[in-house]
Amino acid sequence: QSVLTQPASVSGAPGQRVTISCTGTTSNIGASYDVHWYQQLPGAAPKLLIFTNNNRPSGVPDRFSASKSGTSASLAITGLQAEDEAEYYCQSYDNSLSDYVFGTGTKVTVL
Amino acid sequence: QVQLVQSGAELRKPGASVQVSCKTSGYSFTNYAVHWLRQAPGHRPEWMGWINVGNGNTKYSQKLQGRLSFSSDTSATTVHMEVKSLRFEDTALYYCARGGSGSNFEKPFDIWGPGTLITVSS
Repeated sequence: QSVLTQPASVSGAPGQRVTISCTGTTSNIGASYDVHWYQQLPGAAPKLLIFTNNNRPSGVPDRFSASKSGTSASLAITGLQAEDEAEYYCQSYDNSLSDYVFGTGTKVTVL
Repeated sequence: QVQLVQSGAELRKPGASVQVSCKTSGYSFTNYAVHWLRQAPGHRPEWMGWINVGNGNTKYSQKLQGRLSFSSDTSATTVHMEVKSLRFEDTALYYCARGGSGSNFEKPFDIWGPGTLITVSS
């Protein structure tokens, strides 16, 4: 079973806002472990996009933001651009598995 | 700049072992852990374990415990991973990534290597 669940796909027109949910449990997000988000472009390694709930590494545009509440987290992309087409993963730690866990992944398509 | 460079693709038969290296540069080697993750085609990344290169401590995922071995060479700022008793389902891209351990275990995987394709085929 999936520990962190994300929608398989989301889409939007250029300039629109899209959000990606990440639903966890009381063993991971609900246990107050940090949530991080990664962007994976086709054929590339994952790249850190948001860390520790809502912090952007240097170079990541402020169009990307995230939040966390209870057993869930979400990533928002505002002003959607063609270059944002990628797979997005949330990630946290799970104390029942003693493992770092990733979400199921969400494919973002720019229409 | 911070970089992780990995060794090249490998092809192995079931039951064999494979080693992948991860050469780091651009940061203080002993201040971070190096994690290993893998990603099968069309799947999410899967965490495999970490090595604290400062003290040599390791932690392996429960799923892969017993078949994994990590080591580090501080003088070469390089980390090595060995997977034993390979199975068809071990076919994946294997990544090293910089992260935390111990009291900093929640640190993100902030820098990733490019990945090494390991193919297990008879």
